[in-house]
Amino acid sequence: NAGVMQNPRHLVRRRGQEARLRCSPMKGHSHVYWYRQLPEEGLKFMVYLQKENIIDESGMPKERFSAEFPKEGPSILRIQQVVRGDSAAYFCASSLMTGSFQETQYFGPGTRLLVL
Amino acid sequence: KNQVEQSPQSLIILEGKNCTLQCNYTVSPFSNLRWYKQDTGRGPVSLTIMTFSENTKSNGRYTATLDADTKQSSLHITASQLSDSASYICVVVPNAGNMLTFGGGTRLMVKP
Repeated sequence: NAGVMQNPRHLVRRRGQEARLRCSPMKGHSHVYWYRQLPEEGLKFMVYLQKENIIDESGMPKERFSAEFPKEGPSILRIQQVVRGDSAAYFCASSLMTGSFQETQYFGPGTRLLVL
Repeated sequence: KNQVEQSPQSLIILEGKNCTLQCNYTVSPFSNLRWYKQDTGRGPVSLTIMTFSENTKSNGRYTATLDADTKQSSLHITASQLSDSASYICVVVPNAGNMLTFGGGTRLMVKP
C-alpha cells in the first residue's frame, strides 16, 4: 500500500506564474489536508477536503490559492500569480475517516516550491 | 503567540544518551496531543497520540507524557541513535474539527 504521494517534489516558478501541486491520498482514504511550512517555521493548516467538497478552508489565503479534490484523480492545490513569499514546503496528509479524534493523518513527502 | 510552544529549539546529544523534549500549549479544550518526527526533506510521521485523559504513551524508545492540568507534554527518547536526528513536532488537535495546531519543532541532532 503506497503512502501519500505528492508531485512534483520540487517546483520552481517565476513570479506571476501558476503553481499546481498534486496529492494522491493513501488507498482508501477520502480525507485530504494541505499544510504549508515556511522556512524555519512550523506547519500551518491550509485546507481540509473530502471528495468533491471543501470542508474547512480557514487556513487558506483568500486570494490566489484554491484547492480541489475531484471524484476521480488527485487533490490539487493551485497557486495563481505566485510571489516570492509563496516559497515553502507544501505538505498533504490523508486520513481514513473523520469524526474520530484519534484518527492519524499520514503525511506525504511534500512539494518544495521555490519562486524566483 | 503560538498556541503550541516547544523547547529547546535545537538540541545536540551523543549517541546512546537520553533526552527530553518539551511542549507547552494553550489550545483548550483539546481532544488529543500528538508527537511527530520529521526527517529532513520528508513529511512528518506520527510517533504517539494521547487523549487528554492519558498521561503517558510509549512507542519503542519514545515515551510521551501529558499533564493536562499544566498543559505540558514531553517526549523522552531513550538510548538515542543516529537515525533519531530529525525535527520533533508537538501537535494539538482541538475538540472541534480536524485542524491540527503545530509547534515549531525541536531539531535534534545525535552525534556519534
